[in-house]
Amino acid sequence: KAGVTQTPRYLIKTRGQQVTLSCSPISGHRSVSWYQQTPGQGLQFLFEYFSETQRNKGNFPGRFSGRQFSNSRSEMNVSTLELGDSALYLCASSLGISAGGINEQFFGPGTRLTVL
Amino acid sequence: AQSVTQLDSQVPVFEEAPVELRCNYSSSVSVYLFWYVQYPNQGLQLLLKYLSGSTLVKGINGFEAEFNKSQTSFHLRKPSVHISDTAEYFCAVHRLTGNQFYFGTGTSLTVIP
Repeated sequence: KAGVTQTPRYLIKTRGQQVTLSCSPISGHRSVSWYQQTPGQGLQFLFEYFSETQRNKGNFPGRFSGRQFSNSRSEMNVSTLELGDSALYLCASSLGISAGGINEQFFGPGTRLTVL
Repeated sequence: AQSVTQLDSQVPVFEEAPVELRCNYSSSVSVYLFWYVQYPNQGLQLLLKYLSGSTLVKGINGFEAEFNKSQTSFHLRKPSVHISDTAEYFCAVHRLTGNQFYFGTGTSLTVIP
């Protein structure tokens, strides 16, 4: 089975621009979660999508948004980029079934975003 | 609310020496516990998890962790480290319901030859 793929792997943008990152989950997985990883802050949860609906949301400003398509692929968009948005953005896919079970998350390699 | 504290941001250790990476959590509900490893320029890979049962959990690459409910800890241990264990290690908790993980800030393990 192919793993989680993220594109692009590296991205350089300037302040004020917007960016779109893509994540393709493992086949059969319906949940995609996004995280921002920065030194000293660890992984900060952005949001989770399940069956094209945002199911959980972290504490990030509205500049961060996402969506999920019918094939479970997900995109994350950041508008009006700031220097502090420079980070590794990770997505994780899981089955997403939450009825008393555990959903192991499988992570992609991440997209390294640098804002100049 | 859940929170995860990894007490050491950096841990240097000599090759073949034992290591312990500490993790404490706080939660008002029961949780599942995990350790992930991140090698340079890669995503996170599951090392081990505690769901229920025996409090001593064995994972990949010779790592193990012990769940201590009274101390709300889930420390990761390895009796003899290798150079290849140099990586970032993350402790995480997951509530019994829902689908959200809460991660610690990570511990950078450096194995010195």
